[in-house]
Amino acid sequence: NAGVTQTPKFQVLKTGQSMTLQCAQDMNHNSMYWYRQDPGMGLRLIYYSASEGTTDKGEVPNGYNVSRLNKREFSLRLESAAPSQTSVYFCASSDHGTFLYNSPLHFGNGTRLTVT
Amino acid sequence: AQKITQTQPGMFVQEKEAVTLDCTYDTSDQSYGLFWYKQPSSGEMIFLIYQGSYDEQNATEGRYSLNFQKARKSANLVISASQLGDSAMYFCAMIPGGGGFKTIFGAGTRLFVKA
Repeated sequence: NAGVTQTPKFQVLKTGQSMTLQCAQDMNHNSMYWYRQDPGMGLRLIYYSASEGTTDKGEVPNGYNVSRLNKREFSLRLESAAPSQTSVYFCASSDHGTFLYNSPLHFGNGTRLTVT
Repeated sequence: AQKITQTQPGMFVQEKEAVTLDCTYDTSDQSYGLFWYKQPSSGEMIFLIYQGSYDEQNATEGRYSLNFQKARKSANLVISASQLGDSAMYFCAMIPGGGGFKTIFGAGTRLFVKA
């Protein structure tokens, strides 16, 4: 029962470096998401993919890019990391549809990223 | 603007007592979903309970219940018979109408259960 698996668990980057966070789910969910969690601010949506082949911006997309590689995998890329991107990143998946309100998010265990 | 407000940054409760975590939401939509998630110190996010805007009865899941007051736009989480393992961060969240892909989260409430 892997659920949602994201890697790495921890990462330290220098300003300007790039990296890709990987995420995979085995629940056959259509929708996948990337959130960031900062103290006192809850979780904020960076990007989401409603279904394979589509991606859309969330609340805080600047500085990030995403790729929905297939139904299982959804990656998040930081092209030029900045200290403001120091955060905990969560990948999630769900059966959400445009008119579905009852599908909870299933989360990975998070990636703690520090940018110095 | 659609928003979730959790006004209690931190709460203490004695083991075996009940505790209520407050959540108010702001939306003009008629259809929406409300959720609570738990984040233990280990960091993972765990779904606890769901309430639909058209559900007439309050949702319950084991020791968790959701006190849904639609007119007041509140969706408080009640944990009965608190256990030490309930110490965690709790997030209230909403899927607003027409935005099935954009779950909105509150800032969270940290619950401490005392032995």
